[in-house]
Amino acid sequence: EDQVTQSPEALRLQEGESSSLNCSYTVSGLRGLFWYRQDPGKGPEFLFTLYSAGEEKEKERLKATLTKKESFLHITAPKPEDSATYLCAVWETSGSRLTFGEGTQLTVNP
Amino acid sequence: EAQVTQNPRYLITVTGKKLTVTCSQNMNHEYMSWYRQDPGLGLRQIYYSMNVEVTDKGDVPEGYKVSRKEKRNFPLILESPSPNQTSLYFCASSRREYEKLFFGSGTQLSVL
Repeated sequence: EDQVTQSPEALRLQEGESSSLNCSYTVSGLRGLFWYRQDPGKGPEFLFTLYSAGEEKEKERLKATLTKKESFLHITAPKPEDSATYLCAVWETSGSRLTFGEGTQLTVNP
Repeated sequence: EAQVTQNPRYLITVTGKKLTVTCSQNMNHEYMSWYRQDPGLGLRQIYYSMNVEVTDKGDVPEGYKVSRKEKRNFPLILESPSPNQTSLYFCASSRREYEKLFFGSGTQLSVL
């Protein structure tokens, strides 16, 4: 069974304190790994897609990386506005759905 | 503006009273999908549609129906809602399968 596991469940950081979120996955074949940001009461907002091991994508203070078994979302010098739930999801080659992890709730204190 | 529009935003109903949640996208996307989001369970797919007139079950289809008569619309139908269908629902679309999904703002449903 496909699994997407995110850790930690929750993370509290001080403004400027860099850290990483983890997403580990077990699928028979990876078509793509996606990162989304979700604010309370809103729909997930797309951040990145990664397709193959070794690939990296960056956007402002966020950087996503991918290995054969996991992905990391690195947050450099976070600001309070980065507070949100970050969701990881995978498309498997043989499936027709995006399977989501349960997310990491990030809080950045000023 | 490119978007996925869901209505209503909030809905309170009673057990057994049929309801429809509408979803429309203006991006000419082929793929559309419905998810429900519950605490501790994350986002789970209910139904998806690869293109017009083609739909299939996701992980949790029981108690739901969908139709895709037009490319832009993908309504979610609850014929006889039950309290365990109380949840936050999201419609999403993508240009095609395997590409990034664009999500609507969500529908918070409460079934009493």
